[in-house]
Amino acid sequence: DAKTTQPNSMESNEEEPVHLPCNHSTISGTDYIHWYRQLPSQGPEYVIHGLTSNVNNRMASLAIAEDRKSSTLILHRATLRDAAVYYCILRGSGGSNYKLTFGKGTLLTVNP
Amino acid sequence: DAGVTQSPTHLIKTRGQHVTLRCSPISGHKSVSWYQQVLGQGPQFIFQYYEKEERGRGNFPDRFSARQFPNYSSELNVNALLLGDSALYLCASSPRTGGAYEQYFGPGTRLTVT
Repeated sequence: DAKTTQPNSMESNEEEPVHLPCNHSTISGTDYIHWYRQLPSQGPEYVIHGLTSNVNNRMASLAIAEDRKSSTLILHRATLRDAAVYYCILRGSGGSNYKLTFGKGTLLTVNP
Repeated sequence: DAGVTQSPTHLIKTRGQHVTLRCSPISGHKSVSWYQQVLGQGPQFIFQYYEKEERGRGNFPDRFSARQFPNYSSELNVNALLLGDSALYLCASSPRTGGAYEQYFGPGTRLTVT
């Protein structure tokens, strides 16, 4: 699996936007970029994923660089509930790409 | 809509015993994956089943086995439990397999081996 690099931790204030970066310089043309988060004492939660174009959903936005070697997860207005570990994961498009390979992720702290 | 459900929520077993964990996927999802999460680490992939066939297996010993039933629910079995098997066991479901599809996780089963 192609690897991703994320900062170990980030801090934000409540109701401010948060930009979580992810570098994936060895990404292949068929790799999807997935983001999951894990709140304390819970299972991981799907956030968003994309291939080439920027994506928006009710939880977040995903901005993908033109060369696809980096991406940014954007939380538009952080809340205390957004405090979690955020994982950026690459997955190939074929059916044999069955698993998620979790790294260490970014621990996001949200200050009230 | 109901999400992924897992049972039991918590379990305490003794070394050498056997355990069965159960997972019900989201309705319409045909793929189920199992992950193990040891305290302080990210989840590690154990198995994936799609359409009742094993599609992938992680680096786990043969003491770990799984199966998927015709209704797409799944069981994870672990034999001859070791202290190191203590972990949160997560089940995830997906409409199909492959990177285009997201996975939805259940709350997990917390297994403690004493």
